[in-house]
Amino acid sequence: SQQGEEDPQALSIQEGENATMNCSYKTSINNLQWYRQNSGRGLVHLILIRSNEREKHSGRLRVTLDTSKKSSSLLITASRAADTASYFCATEERGSARQLTFGSGTQLTVLP
Amino acid sequence: SQTIHQWPATLVQPVGSPLSLECTVEGTSNPNLYWYRQAAGRGLQLLFYSVGIGQISSEVPQNLSASRPQDRQFILSSKKLLLSDSGFYLCAWTHGGIEQYFGPGTRLTVT
Repeated sequence: SQQGEEDPQALSIQEGENATMNCSYKTSINNLQWYRQNSGRGLVHLILIRSNEREKHSGRLRVTLDTSKKSSSLLITASRAADTASYFCATEERGSARQLTFGSGTQLTVLP
Repeated sequence: SQTIHQWPATLVQPVGSPLSLECTVEGTSNPNLYWYRQAAGRGLQLLFYSVGIGQISSEVPQNLSASRPQDRQFILSSKKLLLSDSGFYLCAWTHGGIEQYFGPGTRLTVT
């Protein structure tokens, strides 16, 4: 079953605005990762946050993790039309030997 | 550098026909390999993973099977396709690190 659930399912914003996507999960995890998928393509790894971390930055990306609430958020600042894609969170559960459980994704559309 | 290949890119097969999708990884040795399926507009469902040659773990019971005949080759097969097997099939690898690297995918349509 899908552990990670993203919210919202779809998000449409103007170029230059910030985009925030949320992910909730159910079990104890080793880490949480965010991936991006352009339409009809494979997934690309964006950022990883470990269970003992609370916040991480990478360029225009900011990820937070709240293990007490079993939730994470991905913030994309100053969005660009090229950021249009689906974004997935994936959790590596404790004891899962590098297996990931993916959420259903957020479809982000950035309008020029 | 490492690269991952999948073929074919698209495939249209009739119900009841066999299936063979291939995934190969270059530039690394002894990777963990994964097969996922993605239904339209949905997330990824892990089908199989392998930690070594001949070692296959199945996550979801179905009419699909996987094999790893060589260290960097992962094959997804079916003897008889069902309509419900339609989807986007993705192969991924990891080695040492935590993040997974995905291939370009195969779009399978069962008619």
